[in-house]
Amino acid sequence: ILNVEQSPQSLHVQEGDSTNFTCSFPSSNFYALHWYRWETAKSPEALFVMTLNGDEKKKGRISATLNTKEGYSYLYIKGSQPEDSATYLCASINYNQAGTALIFGKGTTLSVSS
Amino acid sequence: GAVVSQHPSRVICKSGTSVKIECRSLDFQATTMFWYRQFPKQSLMLMATSNEGSKATYEQGVEKDKFLINHASLTLSTLTVTSAHPEDSSFYICSASQGGWTEAFFGQGTRLTVV
Repeated sequence: ILNVEQSPQSLHVQEGDSTNFTCSFPSSNFYALHWYRWETAKSPEALFVMTLNGDEKKKGRISATLNTKEGYSYLYIKGSQPEDSATYLCASINYNQAGTALIFGKGTTLSVSS
Repeated sequence: GAVVSQHPSRVICKSGTSVKIECRSLDFQATTMFWYRQFPKQSLMLMATSNEGSKATYEQGVEKDKFLINHASLTLSTLTVTSAHPEDSSFYICSASQGGWTEAFFGQGTRLTVV
């Protein structure tokens, strides 16, 4: 059974703090890892799609790394702002008998206070 | 990014009736569409994956006969909740992708309330 774990479950930081979250995923039959940002009352939006071991992606103050051999990804936010408050979801795509399966973690909910 | 439209956004129905939810990709061809359910205070639970022209692949524990999924074209997938009961009340959301490792684009979600 494929399982994607995210930690911490929730996080509260002050404006200007830098922070990071972890996503653990099955390393066997790995295909891709997605990070999504889900703001309240909106649809989840893709932040990063990562496929290769050692991948590092960056978008503004947010960056992510990928280790496919050990099955983890980190998401970093530098200098957090209140508008960064959201739930950050990761999803692993792994091969299975039916093709591929996309499994979401439960998310890390970030709250940034000004 | 690409746009996925989900309709309706909210629906209230009587117990025993059926409800259809539509998910449309407006500006790209969605080879694969996903349907999720979100229980209170929990993350997205994948219900099924559908590829255009094929039968949907349901996750373990999801009743095929209760949650009918049709993906008849590259831009439209529907989820029909049949003989709805109060325990089916939930937030349902779809996403669509062009397949493979590409990112999924989400609809706005549907809040279903069965009374």
